[in-house]
Amino acid sequence: SAVISQKPSRDICQRGTSLTIQCQVDSQVTMMFWYRQQPGQSLTLIATANQGSEATYESGFVIDKFPISRPNLTFSTLTVSNMSPEDSSIYLCSGLDNNEQFFGPGTRLTVL
Amino acid sequence: GQQLNQSPQSMFIQEGEDVSMNCTSSSIFNTWLWYKQDPGEGPVLLIALYKAGELTSNGRLTAQFGITRKDSFLNISASIPSDVGIYFCAGTLTGGGADGLTFGKGTHLIIQP
Repeated sequence: SAVISQKPSRDICQRGTSLTIQCQVDSQVTMMFWYRQQPGQSLTLIATANQGSEATYESGFVIDKFPISRPNLTFSTLTVSNMSPEDSSIYLCSGLDNNEQFFGPGTRLTVL
Repeated sequence: GQQLNQSPQSMFIQEGEDVSMNCTSSSIFNTWLWYKQDPGEGPVLLIALYKAGELTSNGRLTAQFGITRKDSFLNISASIPSDVGIYFCAGTLTGGGADGLTFGKGTHLIIQP
């Protein structure tokens, strides 16, 4: 199965700033996704990262707040823009490999 | 959006006991998956189910894709301390898991010595 890494693993940020999270897969995958997991909660899909085109966002998530890039089949970034304390969460990326989704370790974000 | 109802929310069991948890949905799902998440880690895939009625095992774990395609269960036999963690069911509306996953709220498994 694909191995997924994320950077940074955690960060503490000031409100109003932005943070870009990187997701690297050790092999090419057809699909990549970004999820949010609030403390003690389940995972919620933010968007599908499409290579070479705009990401597909789920209801409640918008491009201006969560811009996503996917320049190739092994890499994607998620930016959390103009952060507020409500954005404190774990952000996880996943990749689709052999019809199964595998997850990165997550990025734990705290916004003060 | 779609919702998965997962139960129980938490389980307190003795080592060696069997465990059962399930997920239901009001909508038909074409793929059911079960993940385990340890603290500070991302979810790890345990079992993937693609066909209604399918029963699949992975060591001490057994999962089934319900005939109606609206439910799934996961059983763990003879639990051991490393089984502690949060178990999530997840599903996709399309076959092959090529769309994003809808997750249940998780079952927190605690094993008492």
